[in-house]
Amino acid sequence: QLQLQESGPGLVKPSETLSLTCTVSGGSISSSNYYWAWVRQPPGKGLEWIGSIYFSGKTFYNPSLKSRVTISVDTSKNQFSLRLNSVTAADTAVYYCTREETSTAHYWGQGTLVTVSS
Amino acid sequence: QSALTQPRSVSGSPGQSVTISCTGTNSDIGAYNYVSWYQQHPGKAPKVMIYDVNKRPSGVPDRFSGSKSGNTASLTISGLQAEDEADYYCCSHAGSFVVFGGGTRLTVL
Repeated sequence: QLQLQESGPGLVKPSETLSLTCTVSGGSISSSNYYWAWVRQPPGKGLEWIGSIYFSGKTFYNPSLKSRVTISVDTSKNQFSLRLNSVTAADTAVYYCTREETSTAHYWGQGTLVTVSS
Repeated sequence: QSALTQPRSVSGSPGQSVTISCTGTNSDIGAYNYVSWYQQHPGKAPKVMIYDVNKRPSGVPDRFSGSKSGNTASLTISGLQAEDEADYYCCSHAGSFVVFGGGTRLTVL
């Protein structure tokens, strides 16, 4: 059974960089047809797609976040990562990593809360 | 890009049917048959209920169905049950990115 697990700091200071890693188990991140994505959800609010990556390194980003986001993949570790620069309080959210197929997230991590505060 | 438009809330009694609409544009819902619907209970990760407009993943009851007409997609839940009370989000491929709806709170009366 495929499992995804987010990890990273739960607290980030304003203007700094948020960094999260998603570790994939029970399957290979190099499988074809799948994209690996990040989705976030501010407290009490809706879901926002951040971006996705293919195992080859091809990326797609939300246009509203594109200038601050980098998603990368490490196939040797079966992991992919998110970096979000210049964070503000508005970036406080639960961050989920997912596996997508035809833009559908069939598998989700449990989510990790990242709070932006000094 | 703008989020897809969903009603903030819908409600229904047990056994009834409810439909949640999701309106997009001819750049997302209208252009692709890659619409999905997610159910989210409080404190839990979302779960896909419908994908590719009208397909149900294994294990999802056939009470859940999806459709699309033009720029609007719909999720219908028939034979409402108490455990269906949750937030529901639509989602669509939009070319080089993915866009979610704002979410709909379903209350089972």
